[in-house]
Formats: sequence, structure tokens, C-alpha cells
Amino acid sequence: QVQLQESGPGLVKPSETLSLTCTVSGGSISGYYWSWIRQPPGKGLEWIGYVSSSGSTNYNPSLKSRVTISVDTSKNHFSLKLNSVTAADTALYYCAQSRYPGYHFDYWGQGTLVTVSS
Amino acid sequence: QSALTQPRSVSGSPGQSVTISCTGTSSDVGGYNYVSWYQQHPGKAPKLMIYDVSERPSGVPDRFSGSKSGNTASLTISGLQAEDEADYYCCSYADSYTSRVFGTGTKVTVL
Repeated sequence: QVQLQESGPGLVKPSETLSLTCTVSGGSISGYYWSWIRQPPGKGLEWIGYVSSSGSTNYNPSLKSRVTISVDTSKNHFSLKLNSVTAADTALYYCAQSRYPGYHFDYWGQGTLVTVSS
Repeated sequence: QSALTQPRSVSGSPGQSVTISCTGTSSDVGGYNYVSWYQQHPGKAPKLMIYDVSERPSGVPDRFSGSKSGNTASLTISGLQAEDEADYYCCSYADSYTSRVFGTGTKVTVL
């Protein structure tokens, strides 16, 4: 069974760029869609966007201007960059796998908490 | 785009059935059969319970079932068990910018 593990800084300063990586083990990154989803403390889930194994992307319209998601098939991982962060971006960030065409999320990472604070 | 609307909480006694609604629009829930449901226990990652409105992944008990009518999808838990106490989220494809939108979440309490 595929396993996903998020990694990256737990603290980011306001106006800077949040960068996270999701490493995929137990399976290939090829042939799937790979999403980032976040959950502010005590609140609901928000889809951020996805990247396919071929590199095509699709982002939440509300975050599109600040988000970049990329994939590195040679390292079996994909990444999230969110720029110009504010306190509102403080959340638990999950990575998730979807089969084509990516309408639901089959497997999730355990999540990583990112706090935006000076 | 706005989050799909779910009741804040539902409750039931062991063995009973509970139903969680998920209301959207014709641009998301009502327009496509791409509604999924996720169970989230405290401190844990969400787990896929239902996809494509009513399909159950391997390993999910058949006590969990999904349906849809118009712009509202529903998740029913039959024969409620203590371990079903959790938060539940719906999610739908949304044709605005080919996006995905989650519901507001429902806390299920087993009395």
C-alpha cells in the first residue's frame, strides 16, 4: 500500500514562501494525481490543488495566484509552494493520492502543521 | 467558490442509523456523480469512505452507504458503532475552474 509523508518547515514568517514536499513510498508516482489539502486548526478541509505525474496542474481558484505544485518523478516526490503567506495560511497540510481523473482522494499523508508567525 | 453545506452535528445510539446531508449546487453536487465522503478521527488524517456518490473502497464496512438527490448528497451509517464517532466531510467536483470543493464537516456522536 502506498504511503505518503509530508516534510518541510513548521514555522514560516509572514510574506515569505511556504515550501513542503510529499515523499511517496510503496508505489510509483507515475499514473496518478497528487494533491495538497489543508485544514486550519479546528476547521474544515480545503483543496489547494493537484499535479499529475506528467506535470499538468489544477489549482483552487482562491489560491491560484500564490500556489505552485510540481512533481519530481525521479525522486518519487511532489512539492507545494505557497507564497506571500499570512496567518490565515496556518494549517495542517496534507498530501494525497488520486487515481485518474482525480475526483476523490484515495490515500492521505499524516499531515504536517505549518504555522505562519514572525 | 463556497464550501458545500453540511449539518454541524448529528447523533445516534449504537445500532441506530444516522444520515449526513451535503448540499451544493447544480455546478457541483447536482451536476456530477463525483461526490466522495471522508471520515476523520481526532488527530488523524481523513480516510476515504465513499466515492462517486455511492461506491465503497475495499475495506470500508457496508454499514456506510452514499446517495444523491438533486443538489444534495447523503452519507448513511447503519448499525452505528462507537468507532464511527468522528468528523465526516463530503467533497465534490465543481465545474468552476474544474475544481474540487469540500463540505463544512459534520461531527457524528454515538450516544
